[in-house]
Amino acid sequence: DAKTTQPPSMDCAEGRAANLPCNHSTISGNEYVYWYRQIHSQGPQYIIHGLKNNETNEMASLIITEDRKSSTLILPHATLRDTAVYYCIVSGATNKLIFGTGTLLAVQP
Amino acid sequence: DVKVTQSSRYLVKRTGEKVFLECVQDMDHENMFWYRQDPGLGLRLIYFSYDVKMKEKGDIPEGYSVSREKKERFSLILESASTNQTSMYLCASSPTGPYPGNTIYFGEGSWLTVV
Repeated sequence: DAKTTQPPSMDCAEGRAANLPCNHSTISGNEYVYWYRQIHSQGPQYIIHGLKNNETNEMASLIITEDRKSSTLILPHATLRDTAVYYCIVSGATNKLIFGTGTLLAVQP
Repeated sequence: DVKVTQSSRYLVKRTGEKVFLECVQDMDHENMFWYRQDPGLGLRLIYFSYDVKMKEKGDIPEGYSVSREKKERFSLILESASTNQTSMYLCASSPTGPYPGNTIYFGEGSWLTVV
């Protein structure tokens, strides 16, 4: 499974969009990009996933570059409850998720 | 909603004890996983299972074993607990597979302290 690179931390003002980047330059054709988040002391929560098209659901949008080597998770209107560690993961046929250390998003009032 | 339930939220065990961590999912998922999470190391995969009685080692299987006798239940066993197994343990499950695009759902975690 391909490796991902994320910034260790980011800040965002409450009510503004949070844009979390992820690099996955070694991604292969059958690998999906997943995003999860983990609020302190809880299990990871699924946010969104995609293969090559942009995706949107009630929580977030996922923008994947045309070459699929990077992606951005967008939380359109961040709230204090969105403060969490966000994990970008690439996974293929095994459906086995390998987590990195993620990005700690701190939403500021 | 999918529910993955871990039987114990907090446990304290003594070195050398045999420890069972139980996980049950209610959505008829084929795949089940056990991770541990430690500060600075993120989540690391211990074992996973694609079907009843099937298991595969993850990245850190040493000191652990697993059991999957029924589809809904996946147990993690520490045969002889040691202090370096103090950690948070996370169970997860996903539907069908193994192929990509299926969402994995996590339980709330079990905090194990070995003294």
